[in-house]
Amino acid sequence: DTEVTQTPKHLVMGMTNKKSLKCEQHMGHRAMYWYKQKAKKPPELMFVYSYEKLSINESVPSRFSPECPNSSLLNLHLHALQPEDSALYLCASSLDGGPEQYFGPGTRLTVT
Amino acid sequence: AQSVTQLDSHVSVSEGTPVLLRCNYSSSYSPSLFWYVQHPNKGLQLLLKYTSAATLVKGINGFEAEFKKSETSFHLTKPSAHMSDAAEYFCVVSVVSGGSYIPTFGRGTSLIVHP
Repeated sequence: DTEVTQTPKHLVMGMTNKKSLKCEQHMGHRAMYWYKQKAKKPPELMFVYSYEKLSINESVPSRFSPECPNSSLLNLHLHALQPEDSALYLCASSLDGGPEQYFGPGTRLTVT
Repeated sequence: AQSVTQLDSHVSVSEGTPVLLRCNYSSSYSPSLFWYVQHPNKGLQLLLKYTSAATLVKGINGFEAEFKKSETSFHLTKPSAHMSDAAEYFCVVSVVSGGSYIPTFGRGTSLIVHP
């Protein structure tokens, strides 16, 4: 299984809602990543988890809260988002934090 | 610090003609270099990678890239474009930081293929 899955595919939420994005991989990878991608732009790194511990937080606002319950699962909890947070959110994983990353299909988030 | 420059924001070719997408990089250390492709509303798919082995790297779907250290380049080529190649292409340099490899993305090159 060389796949990273993300749910939901699409999410529309109001600015007062709380929602979560989910990412899962069963490749035995020990590093997992969250990216944000705006239209016509490259992905921007948000968080890195290595061996289930948060190792990098790229100065992301606290309305985004990551969680790594186990080595296969990565969540991104969303609360009080702004319309400018609307974007494609991509999850990726890599073996032991190595350079080659496998990306999921993304969650298209719209904040109204 | 590392950086990536994709020299063209758009490249337009006719189906069946060669493709050249240009990428230059800057890195303080020996870099790992990648090309990813992203079709509309999809995630990123790895096309090929250079990690200090052979300098000519072959990837999926007929793409290849040559690592030229003297020119700090990693250009992506394909002999004959297909309509399905129309997509956004990202060149990525990755170096170790804090125990994990951290990628730096180029701005992307949009490949347009005309029938």
